[in-house]
Amino acid sequence: EDQVTQSPEALRLQEGESSSLNCSYTVSGLRGLFWYRQDPGKGPEFLFTLYSAGEEKEKERLKATLTKKESFLHITAPKPEDSATYLCAVQAVGGYQKVTFGTGTKLQVIP
Amino acid sequence: DAEITQSPRHKITETGRQVTLACHQTWNHNNMFWYRQDLGHGLRLIHYSYGVHDTNKGEVSDGYSVSRSNTEDLPLTLESAASSQTSVYFCASSEGQVRGNYEQYFGPGTRLTVT
Repeated sequence: EDQVTQSPEALRLQEGESSSLNCSYTVSGLRGLFWYRQDPGKGPEFLFTLYSAGEEKEKERLKATLTKKESFLHITAPKPEDSATYLCAVQAVGGYQKVTFGTGTKLQVIP
Repeated sequence: DAEITQSPRHKITETGRQVTLACHQTWNHNNMFWYRQDLGHGLRLIHYSYGVHDTNKGEVSDGYSVSRSNTEDLPLTLESAASSQTSVYFCASSEGQVRGNYEQYFGPGTRLTVT
């Protein structure tokens, strides 16, 4: 059974204080690992897909990296508007399109 | 711009009533999904569809049904609503194998309360 564990559950940062969110996963053959951002009262918003160990993707202050067992979402010099819940999800190789989601890290960036 | 819409955004219903939540996407994606999101559980898959007339059960499908009569719509029906089905429901779609893009795009959600 595919599993995704995210840590920490919540993170509070001062504006400009860089940090990383962790996503540990077990999957029977990784097709892709996804990062999403979710604002309160809204649906998840797609950020990145990572396919293989060593791959990195960047978008503004966010950078996602992938190893064989975990992924990190690095946030550099965060701003209050980066406050959200960040979700990680994995999809296994096979005939299915479905993904397994973690429970997320709730990030709060304080001005 | 392509999008996914869900309706209603908020719904209050009574135990035992049948409820249908609508999902409409203009991405022209073959794959569509229904999730529920509850505190402490994250997003859990209810049903999914790979195309017209195709439906499959997810991990929490009991008490729910879907039907796919066209590419754009995947309505979710609660046959007899129960208080345990109070949740936020999200619809999503993905391109999948057509171009190898597997990321899912989500609707804004429907908050359902069963009293």
